[in-house]
Amino acid sequence: ENVLTQSPATLSMSPGERATLTCGASQSVGTNIAWYQQRRGQAPRLLIYDASNRATGIPARFSGSGSGTDFTLTISGLEPEDFAVYYCQQRYNWPWTFGRGTKVEIK
Amino acid sequence: QVHLVQSGGGAVQPGGSLRFSCAASGFIFSNYTMHWLRQAPGKGLEWVAVISSDGTNTYYAAAVKGRFTISRDNSKNTLFLQMNGLTNDDTALYYCARDHREGGRSYYFGYWGQGTLVTVSS
Repeated sequence: ENVLTQSPATLSMSPGERATLTCGASQSVGTNIAWYQQRRGQAPRLLIYDASNRATGIPARFSGSGSGTDFTLTISGLEPEDFAVYYCQQRYNWPWTFGRGTKVEIK
Repeated sequence: QVHLVQSGGGAVQPGGSLRFSCAASGFIFSNYTMHWLRQAPGKGLEWVAVISSDGTNTYYAAAVKGRFTISRDNSKNTLFLQMNGLTNDDTALYYCARDHREGGRSYYFGYWGQGTLVTVSS
């Protein structure tokens, strides 16, 4: 199983700041990575797929990058609604796996 | 607008069974591969099962293979998950999800249902 390791586990930020979240894969996945946002009490929402493509309706302040084993989700200018948990997911190796998440909290 | 509305779930004893459904609207259901995923309390997300758009192909995570069955009724725009032989480890919030890609399988999860809680306890 391809293990995805997300860091940090918790990120304490202020609104307006730039947040950088990382996801490391135990095996190379090319660019077969997605990022999801899960707000408290809600289902996850797809933000980014194929490492860098924004899903429909996702604001431009969300961007993804990386390939192989190292990936980054950047939120440039945190809005109040962005404080949530973020998960990465790989689809390159079956079974498809998720990271344990990074919680972006208000400082 | 895409909607996935889940129903069913609840509490069950170990060894018991449950079946829940996911009613889809706002898109052509028969054009999409569908998935079930789950999230145990305080834990991360786990993919559970997938079914092709026409229902002919299914795949399962090792933890549920042989106990869970994913199915769909394209005439009713509904996805199902039959769970048998439940154990404490199956306690989780279960989500249905639409595949991101129409007419294919991206194995990214584009839209999610609201979640259905399953509690397995004696």
